[in-house]
Amino acid sequence: EVQLVESGGGLVQPGRSMKLSCAASGFTFSNYGMAWVRQAPTKGLEWVATISYDGSSTYYRDSVKGRFTISRDNAKSTLYLQMNSLRSEDTATYYCTRPLGARFAYWGQGTLVTVSS
Amino acid sequence: DIVMTQSPSSLAVSAGETVTINCKSSQSLLSSGNQKNYLAWYQQKPGQSPKLLIYLASTRESGVPDRFIGSGSGTDFTLTISSVQAEDLADYYCQQHYSYPLTFGSGTKLEIK
Repeated sequence: EVQLVESGGGLVQPGRSMKLSCAASGFTFSNYGMAWVRQAPTKGLEWVATISYDGSSTYYRDSVKGRFTISRDNAKSTLYLQMNSLRSEDTATYYCTRPLGARFAYWGQGTLVTVSS
Repeated sequence: DIVMTQSPSSLAVSAGETVTINCKSSQSLLSSGNQKNYLAWYQQKPGQSPKLLIYLASTRESGVPDRFIGSGSGTDFTLTISSVQAEDLADYYCQQHYSYPLTFGSGTKLEIK
């Protein structure tokens, strides 16, 4: 059974950094691309970033480009999202997902990031 | 960027009725190479993570009841839920998986009367 468990969320001040992790199990992590999708409180879904199976390719939405970095450690079956220069509009639940193609077939339970002073 | 426009934003129906949710993309999601439409539908129940229902416009994900039907091509797509049940109370989102940046519709809230 595919399991994705996010951690690392919480309250952070504007301009500061935070790193999210996603522990994957139930599948061969190194064979699959991974992605982060976020959802602001009471709002819709928003794709954030995608990384290829081997980490050689990454894709970002414009609003996080240059501030967020998606990475992975295949030996640890773990996905990361390093978020720098956080803004209030980054406040959201961040979901770790395993895409098939570019559709999001598996989702974690999400971790809430609140950017506020 | 491909803009996904979803309608209606909300609707309320009685159990047993049929529901139609629409999704329109700002450019075609039809691949000329394989004639497939790269459109997915998700269901998000209250307090839960989203769940993939349909991909490639009309292919149901494993385990999804056959009352959920996806249709459409090019820029116009529809999710039909036949004989709605109380458990279908949820938000529904379309998403284009044709090109980056991947984009979602704004969602449709389905309420059961």
